[in-house]
Amino acid sequence: DSGVTQTPKHLITATGQRVTLRCSPRSGDLSVYWYQQSLDQGLQFLIHYYNGEERAKGNILERFSAQQFPDLHSELNLSSLELGDSALYFCASSPFSGGGTGELFFGEGSRLTVL
Amino acid sequence: SQKIEQNSEALNIQEGKTATLTCNYTNYSPAYLQWYRQDPGRGPVFLLLIRENEKEKRKERLKVTFDTTLKQSLFHITASQPADSATYLCALDSRDTGRRALTFGSGTRLQVQP
Repeated sequence: DSGVTQTPKHLITATGQRVTLRCSPRSGDLSVYWYQQSLDQGLQFLIHYYNGEERAKGNILERFSAQQFPDLHSELNLSSLELGDSALYFCASSPFSGGGTGELFFGEGSRLTVL
Repeated sequence: SQKIEQNSEALNIQEGKTATLTCNYTNYSPAYLQWYRQDPGRGPVFLLLIRENEKEKRKERLKVTFDTTLKQSLFHITASQPADSATYLCALDSRDTGRRALTFGSGTRLQVQP
């Protein structure tokens, strides 16, 4: 158990809808990262928050947004969903402010299926 | 363009043998390289981190090498066991672009036959 909690584990929705994925980092970790993993793309970095502030953006679509709250949990909002958004969405946490300076602790992921 | 390449073909080996997985990268200047294990439908789990000034790192049956001249890392599992069967991902930081976020390769699936 990594200590990172993601909900929901599975989500099935229709095109055009909006969903929110939630992540609680390990106790004491200030950094939260979001990654998307689809069959043909591998793990793609979306966004990084550190102590409530956005630190880095990856290939995140404009239809997606995220935030990190004062209690350090984070939410990833996906709107106007398309079939291609179907993927596993992982949250990872770290005590460090930047990537690469230490290991990432991943949650078990939220599997999103868009029909 | 920046690329991290791992062999997309599965690696099949016999139990007890040494598995060697390769990670090549282009147009990166990583300060760190990490290896993760991922089981189907699960989140990646950290295995080892090696810094740019380190040539080799070991942890139990695992060994990682890092050659910044060749732009390559090798990941070895000695005395492999069927329980080692999983997908192994290499990841490095994107210091070049200032993003400071781990970028992952697509992974190599290892299958250890009993």
